[in-house]
Amino acid sequence: KAGVTQTPRYLIKTRGQQVTLSCSPISGHRSVSWYQQTPGQGLQFLFEYFSETQRNKGNFPGRFSGRQFSNSRSEMNVSTLELGDSALYLCASSLYGGRNTDTQYFGPGTRLTVL
Amino acid sequence: AQKITQTQPGMFVQEKEAVTLDCTYDTSDPSYGLFWYKQPSSGEMIFLIYQGSYDQQNATEGRYSLNFQKARKSANLVISASQLGDSAMYFCAMSLDQGAQKLVFGQGTRLTINP
Repeated sequence: KAGVTQTPRYLIKTRGQQVTLSCSPISGHRSVSWYQQTPGQGLQFLFEYFSETQRNKGNFPGRFSGRQFSNSRSEMNVSTLELGDSALYLCASSLYGGRNTDTQYFGPGTRLTVL
Repeated sequence: AQKITQTQPGMFVQEKEAVTLDCTYDTSDPSYGLFWYKQPSSGEMIFLIYQGSYDQQNATEGRYSLNFQKARKSANLVISASQLGDSAMYFCAMSLDQGAQKLVFGQGTRLTINP
């Protein structure tokens, strides 16, 4: 079974631009979560989608948004990029995400650099 | 609020030795899950092992075992017979049933296996 895939793997943008990252979950998984990883803040939860609905959201500004499609694929968008948005963005999928027993499996990440 | 603490920023171990990576957690919720992930330099988070708060026995997965001490709120990862390929960052994470899709991570431990 194929794992979680993320595209693109690397991205370079300039301040003020916007960016869209894509995530395809493991086949059959319906929950997709996004995380931001930086050296200073570590791994932080952005948001989670299930059945095309955002179920949970972390403490990030409204410039960070996402969506999920009917095939469970998800995208996240960051508008008006700032230097501090440079990070590794990780996507994770799980079957339902409704219980603490539901393991999240991560993709390889998208490394975003904002110049 | 949930919190994960990993007090070892870095560890150096000789190949074939066993290694214990420390993790303490804080939550008032009685139902939670504890996870360990490995992150090689490539960036992908690899799931290693899971322990549920109601599990009576310590979890094991191949060379990985989890030393779960509920009263002490600790969930240490034990890697037996370490290999060069074990060199990576290791993260302890926790999820609750409420908002289970949100993983809270510790700061990580960088493990280096010396030949």
